[in-house]
Amino acid sequence: GAVVSQHPSRVICKSGTSVKIECRSLDFQATTMFWYRQFPKQSLMLMATSNEGSKATYEQGVEKDKFLINHASLTLSTLTVTSAHPEDSSFYICSAVAGGSKQETQYFGPGTRLLVL
Amino acid sequence: GENVEQHPSTLSVQEGDSAVIKCTYSDSASNYFPWYKQELGKRPQLIIDIRSNVGEKKDQRIAVTLNKTAKHFSLHITETQPEDSAVYFCAAGLRNSGNTPLVFGKGTRLSVIA
Repeated sequence: GAVVSQHPSRVICKSGTSVKIECRSLDFQATTMFWYRQFPKQSLMLMATSNEGSKATYEQGVEKDKFLINHASLTLSTLTVTSAHPEDSSFYICSAVAGGSKQETQYFGPGTRLLVL
Repeated sequence: GENVEQHPSTLSVQEGDSAVIKCTYSDSASNYFPWYKQELGKRPQLIIDIRSNVGEKKDQRIAVTLNKTAKHFSLHITETQPEDSAVYFCAAGLRNSGNTPLVFGKGTRLSVIA
């Protein structure tokens, strides 16, 4: 299957700082990537749809100014958590579809565990 | 929009027994139904998927059934093994639509007791 990577795998930061998470499709191009967050023992909550070369589409209740998404190339999308607070601590996972709009199988990255102190 | 319900939330079975997880969806336009397995602290892994043009699909010990009329689909794991213990998520989406996000169920925590 297609390979999606994320960096970093885990990060600890102080409250008020910003954290950038990278999501890369390693062996395919992805015009669309998705960002999810997952709290312990809960499901995947879609945060936003990242579209290459255009603005991301955010789900209701997700602050676009707090969770900045940039999809500057067909293999890289970044999520920046700005002015992070302890309640932002979570597991952030990205996914991408190999084969573009004519396919539907989503492959997930390994996730980034964020802890805000 | 689409809403996916998943049951049960937890399931314990003895090793060797079968496990069944059920999901329902609300949007009749959905025509793609993948199942993901997530082990603790790891990424969700696609284990099987079914598209609306078939009613059943099998891959070794894993099978999925789909009832479009009733809008429900199920995952069946036979001869369960301890390594099947994980959280399983069902999802619903659209075929040939890579820019449309999947809608996930809340997950089922499966424990296989040796």
